[in-house]
Amino acid sequence: DADVTQTPRNRITKTGKRIMLECSQTKGHDRMYWYRQDPGLGLQLIYYSFDVKDINKGEISDGYSVSRQAQAKFSLSLESAIPNQTALYFCATSGPGQGAGELFFGEGSRLTVL
Amino acid sequence: AQKITQTQPGMFVQEKEAVTLDCTYDTSDQSYGLFWYKQPSSGEMIFLIYQGSYDEQNATEGRYSLNFQKARKSANLVISASQLGDSAMYFCAMREALNFNKFYFGSGTKLNVKP
Repeated sequence: DADVTQTPRNRITKTGKRIMLECSQTKGHDRMYWYRQDPGLGLQLIYYSFDVKDINKGEISDGYSVSRQAQAKFSLSLESAIPNQTALYFCATSGPGQGAGELFFGEGSRLTVL
Repeated sequence: AQKITQTQPGMFVQEKEAVTLDCTYDTSDQSYGLFWYKQPSSGEMIFLIYQGSYDEQNATEGRYSLNFQKARKSANLVISASQLGDSAMYFCAMREALNFNKFYFGSGTKLNVKP
């Protein structure tokens, strides 16, 4: 099983619908992140969390919200989806003392908003 | 200014040859880390190699090496003896000590390995 699991892996929805992307991890890391990937733009940080009581906005948080339900769970919500939120979304984790402190990514959630 | 710049949107390399993927970065921090990730067509992000700003030697991991030129603020990825399975997108990323939990990514380079 993957260390960082995202659900759903693919989702097609309509404008105005509420969407939740879920992430769970078994790595025991405190830090969790949500990134968005658009073609030609690399990865942009949406939100990140250091622990259950700590949530921080990233570069592109408008239109998104997050919830850190437990150390191992971090969900991303689109309250009212719009077409330009069509993208590939990644959850990632990192932990102190873990190698280089690199990010460990989930397999991605591809979201299409019609 | 962009923190990470990858100037090669796409590259081709012949199988078994070496290839260099360019990455330059911008930071005023003295302590930072540089990372390379591979993204195959299946979409997952795979960590390849890491270089710390205070590391005196270039990092190596198997066929991957990082050509770190601190004065020039470049951190190029060198893949030796390219294989067909190396065809993928490659992303350079940086993390600064002053904002340890924030990673900056470049726009990526798509590498195609020709048989």
